[in-house]
Amino acid sequence: QVKLLQSGAELKKPEASVRLSCKASGYTFTGYYLHWVRQAPGQGFEWMGIINPNGGRASYAQKFQGRVTMTRDTSTSTVYMELSSLRSDDTGFYYCARARVPEMAFDLWGQGSLVTVSS
Amino acid sequence: DIVMTQSPASLAVSLGERATLNCTSSESVLYSSNNRNFLAWYQQKARQPPTLLMYWASTRESGVPDRFSGSGSGTDFTLTISSLQAEDVAVYYCQQYYSTPQTFGQGTRLEIK
Repeated sequence: QVKLLQSGAELKKPEASVRLSCKASGYTFTGYYLHWVRQAPGQGFEWMGIINPNGGRASYAQKFQGRVTMTRDTSTSTVYMELSSLRSDDTGFYYCARARVPEMAFDLWGQGSLVTVSS
Repeated sequence: DIVMTQSPASLAVSLGERATLNCTSSESVLYSSNNRNFLAWYQQKARQPPTLLMYWASTRESGVPDRFSGSGSGTDFTLTISSLQAEDVAVYYCQQYYSTPQTFGQGTRLEIK
């Protein structure tokens, strides 16, 4: 079965960091790019960045430059997204989503990981 | 960044009736070299991740019922559900993937009247 399985919910304090995972299965891991997108409570989607599992090159939205790092582990078909210096407005669902090339729609999404930032 | 604006914010339609959802981009998302609009539509049901409905503005994703159709070009796009079914209750989002950062509309919430 083709799917993206994300890690569980996280509760973090302000200024902490969070590392989320997204494990791919049922398809060739290096054949698709993976995006990270977040959704604040009751809001729309915000694109955070993209990683190419074939080589590991990542590109980030300007808003998150310096705070986000995306990596991959080809041995486990998993991508990771680490966000640092967390603030309360980072609270929301974080999704990984795949695309065949960067300039294509997202044809498969993970189930989402809820990150709550609260003191 | 390209700003995506959806209208209406919410819509109530009777079962079996047509639903029309609109999406406007602040810049054209039509790539002239291949005449493709870099525009997608997603459906998000309650407490679920989004699923892809349409890409290239008018190409239906595999498995999507043919009551869903997409149209438009350049900056103005429409998602039409020809005969609303109960399972279509969801929030619908448009997305441009023409340029980075990829951006989404704020969504249209579709309900049964």
